[in-house]
Amino acid sequence: DAGITQSPRHKVTETGTPVTLRCHQTENHRYMYWYRQDPGHGLRLIHYSYGVKDTDKGEVSDGYSVSRSKTEDFLLTLESATSSQTSVYFCAISEPLSYEQYFGPGTRLTVT
Amino acid sequence: DAKTTQPTSMDCAEGRAANLPCNHSTISGNEYVYWYRQIHSQGPQYIIHGLKNNETNEMASLIITEDRKSSTLILPHATLRDTAVYYCIVRPLSYGQNFVFGPGTRLSVLP
Repeated sequence: DAGITQSPRHKVTETGTPVTLRCHQTENHRYMYWYRQDPGHGLRLIHYSYGVKDTDKGEVSDGYSVSRSKTEDFLLTLESATSSQTSVYFCAISEPLSYEQYFGPGTRLTVT
Repeated sequence: DAKTTQPTSMDCAEGRAANLPCNHSTISGNEYVYWYRQIHSQGPQYIIHGLKNNETNEMASLIITEDRKSSTLILPHATLRDTAVYYCIVRPLSYGQNFVFGPGTRLSVLP
């Protein structure tokens, strides 16, 4: 398995609080991605990074920000969590021109 | 990305071949067909990909029609551990482009 860890794995938080999810890789892959998965929607891209300090928005980026100060870490922040952000969040990594993305184990976030 | 259409769910008997179809009638010439699967809340896992030739690896075979408008993923001897959601995705082989995962096909392998 690719060396990808996500923390925390489970979190319950209250509406309006800030939340940061961390993705850590040991593969030195250039690209990193954050997806969310909700019933009936498959996986949807939130943000991605194509290098240190280089990030871009995905399909469902509203309410989320990201940062990547090191190759190995990609942080997803919910500045003020809402109940609609209750979801399972997956991090993924890949190399340029690669046919494969490697996914982390996921973080289950519940906003009450 | 070209849109794909897959059945919502399928059943397969353990030990038999599982054939999962995918329609991608608007696929472009530079787009590959990829298959991923997701086992019970784990992250998706790459299975196989192809452009126009049939492909086989240790996990599965991919059959692409000559007009490339559809494909079939074949798991030759399905086991209970193959129960998962299978995603068919088409996209070019380009820098950092993300995969667009639709709802996929939920395959249930029955004992």
